[in-house]
Amino acid sequence: DARVTQTPRHKVTEMGQEVTMRCQPILGHNTVFWYRQTMMQGLELLAYFRNRAPLDDSGMPKDRFSAEMPDATLATLKIQPSEPRDSAVYFCASGLVLFETGVNSPLHFGNGTRLTVT
Amino acid sequence: DQQVKQNSPSLSVQEGRISILNCDYTNSMFDYFLWYKKYPAEGPTFLISISSIKDKNEDGRFTVFLNKSAKHLSLHIVPSQPGDSAVYFCALTPPDYQLIWGAGTKLIIKP
Repeated sequence: DARVTQTPRHKVTEMGQEVTMRCQPILGHNTVFWYRQTMMQGLELLAYFRNRAPLDDSGMPKDRFSAEMPDATLATLKIQPSEPRDSAVYFCASGLVLFETGVNSPLHFGNGTRLTVT
Repeated sequence: DQQVKQNSPSLSVQEGRISILNCDYTNSMFDYFLWYKKYPAEGPTFLISISSIKDKNEDGRFTVFLNKSAKHLSLHIVPSQPGDSAVYFCALTPPDYQLIWGAGTKLIIKP
């Protein structure tokens, strides 16, 4: 049963440190999202890739966050330097979008990385 | 400016009864509507969807209704079971597939 894999599941770090979160999307999916969920909010879109190209990263604080897809099997989200307000659960999701046919698969989510910045 | 609203943060329903979760939206360009279910410490999982050309889609105990004129989406679960206790998110997508999410409704099924 194919699934999105995120590592690490939990990360505790001190303010100012670099944090890297990794995501392995489902093989064959061409669209990858990074979301953040905080205590009081729903899912907040941070970045969005299609065919490894960044389409929208307007939800990310650009001065400290960066998202990349070095290859089709890996997406990364980095925070440098981290701050206590970055504490949240970060989700990666992948899906298949076929514009030619208009067929879109529902997104499949990983189980998230719970980040705590002290 | 919230494009998608789930006005009930939580909902408590007796086991065996119907659960109705609601979602309102403002943008008529949305053409695909989805419901996701989320358990604690897990990522959201896809539950059911409906395209804008339909007004109802059913899958077992789950039915999604779409009222385009009212810009309203609802999810009906009947009969409700204890395993249905979770947070439910509605998510809407315009043609570019960038999902817009509601804030979620926590459903509690009482025995």
